[in-house]
Amino acid sequence: AQKITQTQPGMFVQEKEAVTLDCTYDTSDPSYGLFWYKQPSSGEMIFLIYQGSYDQQNATEGRYSLNFQKARKSANLVISASQLGDSAMYFCAMREGNTGGFKTIFGAGTRLFVKA
Amino acid sequence: DSGVTQTPKHLITATGQRVTLRCSPRSGDLSVYWYQQSLDQGLQFLIQYYNGEERAKGNILERFSAQQFPDLHSELNLSSLELGDSALYFCASSVFISGEDTDTQYFGPGTRLTVL
Repeated sequence: AQKITQTQPGMFVQEKEAVTLDCTYDTSDPSYGLFWYKQPSSGEMIFLIYQGSYDQQNATEGRYSLNFQKARKSANLVISASQLGDSAMYFCAMREGNTGGFKTIFGAGTRLFVKA
Repeated sequence: DSGVTQTPKHLITATGQRVTLRCSPRSGDLSVYWYQQSLDQGLQFLIQYYNGEERAKGNILERFSAQQFPDLHSELNLSSLELGDSALYFCASSVFISGEDTDTQYFGPGTRLTVL
């Protein structure tokens, strides 16, 4: 069963506007971590933001924030004031496991296009 | 630059051959993860090592094996290569403190493998 779902294959946003990239997840593990990564056309994977399953507040990192709704099992990424350099593939990921070892599952990704 | 290094950057080989991909983690990181990114399968977790020991296993084929050496660098060995093994192979590293939920993986630039 697919555990990470990103329903938007592609998104367009106007420069300087905010955009929300959707991510839903499924797990029976009470302890898990949620991540967002950015992959530009150059191919590297860039860590953006992390949210722990027990965190009470939504994570923020500069222009990135994670809208964490635990009951709905969603972890949407919000990018404020979009820039042309934000054009890239964005992956939502979930880490499951315990202190013995971690498995990280990635979604299919959302390709974001920022228009000038 | 994440601090994770991978060599080689590109690798072209023929079916049936064997190759070795190398990864050096960030300074201070004890855990190494291997991922395969292909067009049809997306980003798939292969295996995790922590301080030389295997800790978690994902969708890794029996033809593939990995190890982590005392100096913490890791190698991913791919044998009896098939056309479908053509992909971008990422290594990531993290501190992996036992019980620490905020453990974040930082990715290397990847090795692009082409099997002809």
